[in-house]
Amino acid sequence: AQSVTQLDSHVSVSEGTPVLLRCNYSSSYSPSLFWYVQHPNKGLQLLLKYTSAATLVKGINGFEAEFKKSETSFHLTKPSAHMSDAAEYFCGRASGTYKYIFGTGTRLKVLA
Amino acid sequence: DTGVSQDPRHKITKRGQNVTFRCDPISEHNRLYWYRQTLGQGPEFLTYFQNEAQLEKSRLLSDRFSAERPKGSFSTLEIQRTEQGDSAMYLCASSSGQGIAKNIQYFGAGTRLSVL
Repeated sequence: AQSVTQLDSHVSVSEGTPVLLRCNYSSSYSPSLFWYVQHPNKGLQLLLKYTSAATLVKGINGFEAEFKKSETSFHLTKPSAHMSDAAEYFCGRASGTYKYIFGTGTRLKVLA
Repeated sequence: DTGVSQDPRHKITKRGQNVTFRCDPISEHNRLYWYRQTLGQGPEFLTYFQNEAQLEKSRLLSDRFSAERPKGSFSTLEIQRTEQGDSAMYLCASSSGQGIAKNIQYFGAGTRLSVL
């Protein structure tokens, strides 16, 4: 079955340092992958989406993700963490034309 | 803000009671989705509507669950004879079937259900 795996349930970084949130997907000939962020008491907000146009995908708020087919990975990065980045992040993929399958989430903590 | 709206935001009920949640999608979106999110997990797909037609239901959706979208606009999710295992966040999302944002799902803030 198609799936995504988020390798870390919690990540802590200091403000101003790089962020790396890891995601692997089960192999597929043409995955549609994405990252969403969820702040407390808020809905999920799309950060970025990979649709095979380019392997490096730029998203909102300075986040980007790189699609690596050889590693079946789609890790999320940001050069410099901000306090407002503290939230839960979900990697996911589209299954068919409409259903989304999400990973279990990574809670990002940003230390002052 | 004309995003996806869900009501109520929180619902506390006793085991055995029926509950109903409402979702108002983004107005021009013809696709609507329900997901369930339990603590420590990502959202899990429950069901999908295209206009008023319910096109898929997950095996997670037992017979006690029913969803409707009568006029292809807002949707309701009803849970009958609630059980403690139904406690979760119920998320609604909508998407357009066309344009540059085609198939991107926009989520509401969710309804948090607690069954005592």
